[in-house]
Amino acid sequence: KAGVTQTPRYLIKTRGQQVTLSCSPISGHRSVSWYQQTPGQGLQFLFEYFSETQRNKGNFPGRFSGRQFSNSRSEMNVSTLELGDSALYLCASSLSREQYFGPGTRLTVT
Amino acid sequence: EDQVTQSPEALRLQEGESSSLNCSYTVSGLRGLFWYRQDPGKGPEFLFTLYSAGEEKEKERLKATLTKKESFLHITAPKPEDSATYLCAVQSDGNNRLAFGKGNQVVVIP
Repeated sequence: KAGVTQTPRYLIKTRGQQVTLSCSPISGHRSVSWYQQTPGQGLQFLFEYFSETQRNKGNFPGRFSGRQFSNSRSEMNVSTLELGDSALYLCASSLSREQYFGPGTRLTVT
Repeated sequence: EDQVTQSPEALRLQEGESSSLNCSYTVSGLRGLFWYRQDPGKGPEFLFTLYSAGEEKEKERLKATLTKKESFLHITAPKPEDSATYLCAVQSDGNNRLAFGKGNQVVVIP
């Protein structure tokens, strides 16, 4: 069974730009969660989607948004990028309690 | 708010030298405690789920245990390939989000 895939794997953007990251969950998994990982803060929860609805949201500004499609694929968007948004963005899919992570998208903001 | 504290932050072991990693947590109602392994530049890899105090899970040289306040990940006779960052996370009742600790960085020297 294929694992969670994320595209692109690496991105370099400039301050003020916006970015869209994509996640394809494991086949049959309907829940997709997004996390931000930085050396200082570790892994922090961004939001969770289930059946195209946002089910939970972390403490991030409104510049961070997401959506889920009918095939469970998910995207997250960050608008008006700031230097502090440089991080590894991880997507995880789940069927029940266990979450399985993708390889992440490394975003660098210059 | 769910909180997870891991110790020690970093650990250097000789090959074959067994040790334990600690994960202390506070959560309103524990839905699950999870251990992940993360290699540099990769997403976290799921290892174990523990649901209730007294539970133990084993996989190769790793054994995870759970009490009402903490979990331990025991590494028995480690090999260099066990070098990684081990992440502990909790999930509270009615919630799918994971709250992570900062991780235990383990280096096993041949």
